[in-house]
Amino acid sequence: NAGVMQNPRHLVRRRGQEARLRCSPMKGHSHVYWYRQLPEEGLKFMVYLQKENIIDESGMPKERFSAEFPKEGPSILRIQQVVRGDSAAYFCASSPTGGQRAFFGQGTRLTVV
Amino acid sequence: DQQVKQNSPSLSVQEGRISILNCDYTNSMFDYFLWYKKYPAEGPTFLISISSIKDKNEDGRFTVFLNKSAKHLSLHIVPSQPGDSAVYFCAAQGNTGFQKLVFGTGTRLLVSP
Repeated sequence: NAGVMQNPRHLVRRRGQEARLRCSPMKGHSHVYWYRQLPEEGLKFMVYLQKENIIDESGMPKERFSAEFPKEGPSILRIQQVVRGDSAAYFCASSPTGGQRAFFGQGTRLTVV
Repeated sequence: DQQVKQNSPSLSVQEGRISILNCDYTNSMFDYFLWYKKYPAEGPTFLISISSIKDKNEDGRFTVFLNKSAKHLSLHIVPSQPGDSAVYFCAAQGNTGFQKLVFGTGTRLLVSP
């Protein structure tokens, strides 16, 4: 049973480009969470999704960031017109239900140059 | 506003000794606490948790203590091993509906042989 799979592991984008981060949850998990870790900080919650629904996006920046978890395929975190401050490690986690402990992926390290 | 604080960025311990990692929180609505371990370039891995109805939870070499009145918890690792060297994150969660994990900034533990 594969764990939470994130790709790419590393992503380099120039300022103004778009970044798309993908997350495939563990088999049987329909709840996905995205967290961001800025350098020298802890992980900060961004968004919680179930299949085709955004449940809580209170941690998402209001502009340029969006997330989806379609009926088929991985969850996508999309960052438009990236800026240097978006450079961080982005972690996805999944759980079988909303109240259970989530398992984390290995993260995508985004570098904006 | 940092609701979960780990005031020691690093800790060095000799192999075989006890490691004590501390965590303080400010939000009295938190009622579930978790410790995660994180190696470089990997995602956080769940280690141990404790509910607010308990003051101690033990799992092998790892014990978590919770002092609700002081809003303080600690993770004890006995005996410490070199493989325990990692960054340890304390996280807290509320008790109604979906509650995101609120992470501390982490403590880097180094266990030397």
